Amino acid sequence: AQSVAQPEDQVNVAEGNPLTVKCTYSVSGNPYLFWYVQYPNRGLQFLLKYITGDNLVKGSYGFEAEFNKSQTSFHLKKPSALVSDSALYFCAVNGYTGGFKTIFGAGTRLFVKA
Amino acid sequence: DTEVTQTPKHLVMGMTNKKSLKCEQHMGHRAMYWYKQKAKKPPELMFVYSYEKLSINESVPSRFSPECPNSSLLNLHLHALQPEDSALYLCASSKLAGEGETQYFGPGTRLLVL
Repeated sequence: AQSVAQPEDQVNVAEGNPLTVKCTYSVSGNPYLFWYVQYPNRGLQFLLKYITGDNLVKGSYGFEAEFNKSQTSFHLKKPSALVSDSALYFCAVNGYTGGFKTIFGAGTRLFVKA
Repeated sequence: DTEVTQTPKHLVMGMTNKKSLKCEQHMGHRAMYWYKQKAKKPPELMFVYSYEKLSINESVPSRFSPECPNSSLLNLHLHALQPEDSALYLCASSKLAGEGETQYFGPGTRLLVL
């Protein structure tokens, strides 16, 4: 079975400060991990993914994520937060469970204060 | 063109109505998906189409009937819905229905069942 956990319902950070949104995963086999962002009344937008290779993955809008196999984590990071980064962030794992499916974490709401 | 379009944006229907949601992509993707998303919750997979054939049905009630008329179009036919079916319905597509595939989401149809 595959699953992802986002331990924080909400993360608050001041504009200009670094941000981290946490994600841990549980998979059988190779992990295919994703981060998506959802702005109010919008669909999900792809940020980045880990398939294989370098543990540090760079994505859209200055976001990056670090894959840590020993800690089964895939935390999303950004060196300097913007107010416009305020949104709902989903970590997801993709793989075969009776068909190829993407399982989403519960989501973390990020608030960036000016 | 990396856009998935969905119509209508909003839909209000009674429990005896029949309506359809429409999704379209012109990225040449051969996998298309329907998700249901309740407020502040992650998307829940409903159906997956691969090469225009239904490959996954997540035990969705028969009052939801998907249809994939061609590789660019995906419909969701609605009949005799319940108030608890009110949600944001998201369509997504990916190149293939396989491991590590990035999904591209439409903006969603916000459905209210009265």
